[in-house]
Amino acid sequence: DQQVKQNSPSLSVQEGRISILNCDYTNSMFDYFLWYKKYPAEGPTFLISISSIKDKNEDGRFTVFLNKSAKHLSLHIVPSQPGDSAVYFCAASAFNNDMRFGAGTRLTVKP
Amino acid sequence: NAGVMQNPRHLVRRRGQEARLRCSPVKGHSHVYWYRQLPEEGLKFMVYLQKENIIDESGMPKERFSAEFPKEGPSILRIQQVVRGDSAAYFCASSRGQGVLLSIPSDEQFFGPGTRLTVL
Repeated sequence: DQQVKQNSPSLSVQEGRISILNCDYTNSMFDYFLWYKKYPAEGPTFLISISSIKDKNEDGRFTVFLNKSAKHLSLHIVPSQPGDSAVYFCAASAFNNDMRFGAGTRLTVKP
Repeated sequence: NAGVMQNPRHLVRRRGQEARLRCSPVKGHSHVYWYRQLPEEGLKFMVYLQKENIIDESGMPKERFSAEFPKEGPSILRIQQVVRGDSAAYFCASSRGQGVLLSIPSDEQFFGPGTRLTVL
């Protein structure tokens, strides 16, 4: 059961422009959402999170938006840099800490 | 201040052998999660453990796979009689964990570097 979906397997963006990564979920019990970044041969690293009581959280160049009615969240990276090139996983968890991940979106930022 | 440690980083097994993957969580973390990443796929949840308890194993295959997180020592993911389809990267994550209350959001998980299992 794919409770968290990232429908775009890849995204290519020019350096300096905005990257927008999207994520949809189906389980209305999810109350905490996270984005992880993963480089090849490494474990995912935490990037940014948002609680269901908020609709926006910002950290430097990274902003996560949550639309609960649409069960949709997005990660905005602006300006995008070549070092941002990685696979980005959207994750969602319910109160029991049980986390579900999307399939990931491979972001390529071209210089 | 060590993060999550996994060993071995690479493991090669022949079909029918057993694979044991170890995970030491961040010091002070009592919650451990195992995930599998198959080639060209995302991370798939397998099992969630607290010390000496399996909380959720809904992502574990029904046969050949087992996990434990003893009171002392690392968490172990055990795969018996491995098959080629078990070849994947296995990631462990840990968290402090929070009380099971709707009002408290889950906290983030810290991931280990993964164990890449290759079954010949």
